[in-house]
Amino acid sequence: EIVLTQSPGTLSLSPGERATLSCRASQSVTSSFLAWYQQKPGQAPRLLLYGASTRAPAIPDRFSGSGSGTDFTLTISRLEPEDFAVYYCQQYGGSPYTFGQGTNLEIK
Amino acid sequence: QVQLVQSGPEVKKPGASVKVSCMASDYTFTNYGISWVRQAPGQGLEWMGWISPYNGNRKYAEKFQGRVTMTTDTSTSTAYMELGSLRSDDTAVYFCARTSFWGFYFEYWGQGTLVSVSS
Repeated sequence: EIVLTQSPGTLSLSPGERATLSCRASQSVTSSFLAWYQQKPGQAPRLLLYGASTRAPAIPDRFSGSGSGTDFTLTISRLEPEDFAVYYCQQYGGSPYTFGQGTNLEIK
Repeated sequence: QVQLVQSGPEVKKPGASVKVSCMASDYTFTNYGISWVRQAPGQGLEWMGWISPYNGNRKYAEKFQGRVTMTTDTSTSTAYMELGSLRSDDTAVYFCARTSFWGFYFEYWGQGTLVSVSS
């Protein structure tokens, strides 16, 4: 089973700042089969990116992803108030399809 | 737009079973698989398994093998997840999610169903 470790656990930033979230895999993720999700309290997760860097439909271009192998990054270029949430990475290169433990992006 | 609407909250006793439904709309149900993902209170996300409404093929996470059954009813575009031998640590919100045609990532999600297990 591939274990995904996200860092930091909590990130405190202000609107307008740049956010960089990390996701590290315990073994190489096949073909960059990595997705990112955003989850707000009491809501279901929302798909942001798949294939490490492809934005899902209707996702603003301030969200971008990069990485390959075992190291992946989600970047939010300029934080909007609605971006403060928990972010999860997920690998789908091999079953079971596992998630990271999440990064809580909070308002500073 | 694509919608997945799940059944309401459940309260069960240890050892019982629970069956959660997920009704899909605004897309061709048989064209996409449905996965089930759960989230314990204050915790992260855990993939449980997947089913293809097209041919009934299933893939379950090893952790849930023998306890979970996923089915679909194509006449009503509804997927079901039944979890048996419930324990207190099965208390969680259970989500259904439409799984991409291109890989096991989750494009659209249901609103979630809280299953509480308590004696």
